[in-house]
Order: sequence, then C-alpha cells, then structure tokens
Amino acid sequence: GEDVEQSLFLSVREGDSSVINCTYTDSSSTYLYWYKQEPGAGLQLLTYIFSNMDMKQDQRLTVLLNKKDKHLSLRIADTQTGDSAIYFCAEDQGGKLIFGQGTELSVKP
Amino acid sequence: GAVVSQHPSRVICKSGTSVKIECRSLDFQATTMFWYRQFPKQSLMLMATSNEGSKATYEQGVEKDKFLINHASLTLSTLTVTSAHPEDSSFYICSARGEGGGYEQYFGPGTRLTVT
Repeated sequence: GEDVEQSLFLSVREGDSSVINCTYTDSSSTYLYWYKQEPGAGLQLLTYIFSNMDMKQDQRLTVLLNKKDKHLSLRIADTQTGDSAIYFCAEDQGGKLIFGQGTELSVKP
Repeated sequence: GAVVSQHPSRVICKSGTSVKIECRSLDFQATTMFWYRQFPKQSLMLMATSNEGSKATYEQGVEKDKFLINHASLTLSTLTVTSAHPEDSSFYICSARGEGGGYEQYFGPGTRLTVT
C-alpha cells in the first residue's frame, strides 16, 4: 500500500514550539492519530482528530488537518525535555492503523 | 484509561526454539487485538489482526505458520514465534480494541525478542 510520510528528525530548544508534519494516504480515513513512543516502550495515544474537523486543541497539543492536501500536523507548545521521543502519525484504514515512519523529536535545554 | 500488558518484556531464545508472547487487556474486554513488529528506528508493521474465537487475519508477507496467533478469550491473545531465527529478533507490540468497536487502540509496552 501507499506510505504515510513523516520527516524523520526535529530538534528544538526547550520552551519553543515543535511542529511535526505528516502526509497520509487514505482520504476516507475516519480518524487520524498521533502517538508518542519513548525508548524501549510501547505507544501512548496523544490525541486524535475526526476527519470532519480542521483543528483540535488539547492543552499543549494542537492538531491541524488539511483534508484537501491529506496533511496532518501536531504542534507542541512550550516543548519540554520530557517531550523528547518518537512521534508517529497514523491513519485508520478499515479498522487497521497504518503508521508513518516516526519523527524523532529532540529537545535541547 | 484502558491498560494492556505484555509478557515477557524481554526474551532471549536460541535459534530453532519457539517463544510465546502474551498480550492481556487488564481492565476491559478486547474483541480485537493487533500484533505489530517494529525494527529499530522504524515504524510499526501490522502483522495480524485477531478476533476473539476466530482465526487471525494475517497481513501480506507474514507467515501464519511461523507466527501463530491465538485469541482464546476476550482478555488474552498470544503470539508464538515458531522455530525462531536471528532475523526474527525484533520488538513486538500488541494493541487491543474494546468491545464497543470504538476507534481507539490501546497499546502494550512491547516485547523485545532476541534470537541467538
């Protein structure tokens, strides 16, 4: 199948905003997700957005969805060192999650 | 939130042996469980989808005779890697979806398999 695309690395300074981008493939995906994975651990669901929404905000997290371009972004405000992890976007294709390659976020003090 | 556990968290086995990994939903009943494989610095690859009481559905390219999946109850699914080889060394992660068929999958912490 086609791939969900993400940039592989992002480095920011503590206190700055981080923006992680994702391009997905299936325009019929009902939900799109952002997961966080810390080293050696499983995946933690950060947030999700329903496909009929353009934006969703949840505390420091803002998700933007551009359905026309099949583009999804995750903005983390006031990024902290504890936010350092790999972030995966995922689309729901018929009940199965298809993941991007993951973006490794490095937060420097 | 819903909790999914995996056991063991790490396992080392010799080539040719079989190893079983358990995935449990601790506080909800999971009609559907998913097994993923993750190589270092790479994404999760869906291996198979299992529904309680029925045979698992394997993704293309995944050998069903090598990766045996059993979903015998609403809280337990097992993945058995048979006749393991070093190339089977990987991080295996399960996830579970609740009875309501909702959108959310809850992930286990993963199992690191090393085949020597």
